[in-house]
Order: sequence, then C-alpha cells, then structure tokens
Amino acid sequence: DAKTTQPTSMDCAEGRAANLPCNHSTISGNEYVYWYRQIHSQGPQYIIHGLKNNETNEMASLIITEDRKSSTLILPHATLRDTAVYYCIVRLLQKLTFGTGTRLTIIP
Amino acid sequence: DTAVSQTPKYLVTQMGNDKSIKCEQNLGHDTMYWYKQDSKKFLKIMFSYNNKELIINETVPNRFSPKSPDKAHLNLHINSLELGDSAVYFCASSQESYPENTIYFGEGSWLTVV
Repeated sequence: DAKTTQPTSMDCAEGRAANLPCNHSTISGNEYVYWYRQIHSQGPQYIIHGLKNNETNEMASLIITEDRKSSTLILPHATLRDTAVYYCIVRLLQKLTFGTGTRLTIIP
Repeated sequence: DTAVSQTPKYLVTQMGNDKSIKCEQNLGHDTMYWYKQDSKKFLKIMFSYNNKELIINETVPNRFSPKSPDKAHLNLHINSLELGDSAVYFCASSQESYPENTIYFGEGSWLTVV
C-alpha cells in the first residue's frame, strides 16, 4: 500500500474550518484515499473516501489534487467533539493500512 | 443498536492463559476483520474473513486463531498469552464489494496480560 504522510498534530479554533493535509505521492491509479478518525478510547470511525474527484458528505469534504499526490480533509465547522486522531489511508483492496495520523485538537 | 459489538470490553489475565474475544456484526456484511492497536497506537490488520473463509492473514503468531462460525461472527482465540499481547483489539466488518465498502469498527477490547 502507498504510504501517507500527515502532520503529527494540529490545533483549530471551535467553529472554524479544520483543514487536515495528507501527502500520498506514491499512490497508484486504482488506490482510493480514505479518511478515518479515532476519538479517544473508541473504535476508528469512517469519515469519507475518494478516488480523484472531490467528495462531500455530512461530516466533511475531501479535496484531492489533480495529480492525486496529496489531499485535504476539511471539517467545515469544527466542534469540541471533533477532537481526535485523523488517519489518511491509501487503500488497496480489503486492507486498511493505518499510519500515525494527525492529532487534531479543537480549542474552545 | 450497536453495529459491530465485541465482548469483553476489558480483559485482564495472566501470562500463559488462553482467552477469547467475541465479535458480532448486525449489518449483514460478508467480510470481517481483526485489527490490533499496540501501546504506540499503531493500528494493524491481523486477519480478514469473507463468508467464513480466511482471506487476509498478516504475520501473526500461531497462538492467535480466528474462528468464524457464520458470516455475522468472527471470534479471536489467543493461546498461551504473553505480555506483548497486551493491546486493544478491534473487530470490523464490511461488504465484499471494494472499494465502495466502508469498513465499520467495533469499540475495541482492551486486553492486559500480567
């Protein structure tokens, strides 16, 4: 699986948009970008995924660059409950390979 | 209703013991997984079953044996527990149809070996 690189930690003010970057420069054409998050002491929670087009759902938006070598997860209006570790994953077939993720802290 | 449920949530046991963690999903999925999260918080896949057949088996000691009595259940049995087995074990499930098949995780089972 292609490797991903994310910042170790980020802070974001409550109510503002949280933009979480991810580099996946070795991604291949049939690999999808998935985002999960893990709130303390809970199981990983699916957020969103995409191949090459930008995607939006009720939780977040996913912006993938045209060359697919990086992407950004956007939480439009961050709340305190969004404090978690966010994992960017390049997925091939049935296996999710988790990296170290970004610890996002929402500041009141 | 909990989609993927695991029992027990917490388990403390002595070295050398044999223990099992049970997992059930009520989502109608045909693929189930076990992941392990160690003390450094790395999440790694251990096993994957599709329709009761093993399809992914990462480098895991033989002491770990998954058992799938039916599509809705995937239990993890661990023999001769060692200190290094202490971790959080997550069960997960999905439909087979990659890639549009979101993997849903349970809440985890905290295993402590003393």
